[in-house]
Formats: sequence, structure tokens, C-alpha cells
Amino acid sequence: EVQLLESGGGWEEPGGSLRLSCAASGFIFRNYAMSWVRQAPGKGLEWVSAIRGSGDNTDYADTVKGRFTISRDNSKNTLYLQMNSLRAEDTAVYYCAKTRDGYTWYFDLWGRGTLVTVSS
Amino acid sequence: EIVLTQSPATLSLSPGERATLSCRASQSVSNYLGWYQQKPGQAPRLLIYDASNRATGIPGRFSGSGSGTDFTLTISSLEPEDFAVYYCQHRRNWPLTFGGGTKVEIK
Repeated sequence: EVQLLESGGGWEEPGGSLRLSCAASGFIFRNYAMSWVRQAPGKGLEWVSAIRGSGDNTDYADTVKGRFTISRDNSKNTLYLQMNSLRAEDTAVYYCAKTRDGYTWYFDLWGRGTLVTVSS
Repeated sequence: EIVLTQSPATLSLSPGERATLSCRASQSVSNYLGWYQQKPGQAPRLLIYDASNRATGIPGRFSGSGSGTDFTLTISSLEPEDFAVYYCQHRRNWPLTFGGGTKVEIK
């Protein structure tokens, strides 16, 4: 079955760190660029970060640049998001998403999301 | 950063009616625009890519049009399962951005 499964969300205090994982199955993971997209409670979608299939090129939204790091392990079919210096405004459901054809930035497969709550 | 403005914020329609949703970009995105549907508690689903191409498995009642800065998603005849929130997203440059969404609700 083609699917993405996120994990690693939870509660963290401001200034803390979390590492999200996204396990991919059912497709050739290394062939597809991937992204993280988040959604604050009751709000719209916000793109967070992107990584090419080889892992050698990454991009970030300004709101997370310098604090979050996207990476992937193609041998484990897993995408990661290391989140440091967390802020209250990072509270959201975080989705990992697969590009439609491997390289154009539309997302045709999404995980169910993992909730990150940043609060003291 | 390209800002995508969706209108209206809410569209109240009955099943069988035609829905017309708008997405306007703050600068040209060529045809690099997609549309997603999101239902409560679910992840988004890709409907349209590159302005007018239906994604795999998307019914023919969904169609997209436009180029440059003005885009439209049309649902020709609303089915009960179409009541949801719809988002546009561009891929013209970095950062990728989404519109604020249009909620299509049952009248």
C-alpha cells in the first residue's frame, strides 16, 4: 500500500526540540522529492520545508529557517524534520507530503499528520 | 513571497449547484498553480495541478482554469462529498505558498 506515516509529535516547552519522522512505503522513495507542510489549529496550510530525492538540496520557509532541518534516509525510506528552538507559533499538525511526479512541487500523497504542541 | 488570495471565504450552495472558486496571485505564477480539497480531520487531497490538469482519480466535475494571476476552480455539480475546504498552491518559486482557503458549505 502506498502510504506515509508520521511520528514524533507531542508536547514540548518553548525553546525545546522535537524530531519528526515520516515512514514511506509502496513507492520508490529515493525517486521523489518530499516536503513538510503544517496546519495550525483551525487555520490554513503552510509549507515548511522541502528536500530533493537525493537529499542534496533543501529549502525552508522563512518562519523556520535556521531552526528546522529537513533530511532523509533513502535506505530506510524515511523523511525527517529536526525542530529546534521551538516557539508557540510552531504548534500545528505536521504533514509529510510526496511530490506528484518526483520533482514538481505538487503533493499527491499525504500522511495523516502528527500534532506538535509548544506550550509552557 | 507570492501571496495567494482566495475568494470567497465561504460559499454556501446546495447539492447539484455549480461552485466557482477564485484564487488570485500577487504576481504571475504562469500556470504553476494547484488546487487541494481538505475535509475535517483529513489530510489535503490534490485535485488539479498546473492550473487545469486533473490529478489521478479526480472526477470530471472538477476543472481548473486560468494563468498568470487569476485562477478558477469549478465544480460543475456539487455532490454531497464535495462540501469541504479548498486551497490553492503555487510552485512558481520559493517559498511555496497556499491560499487561505474557501469553505464550500451546504446551504
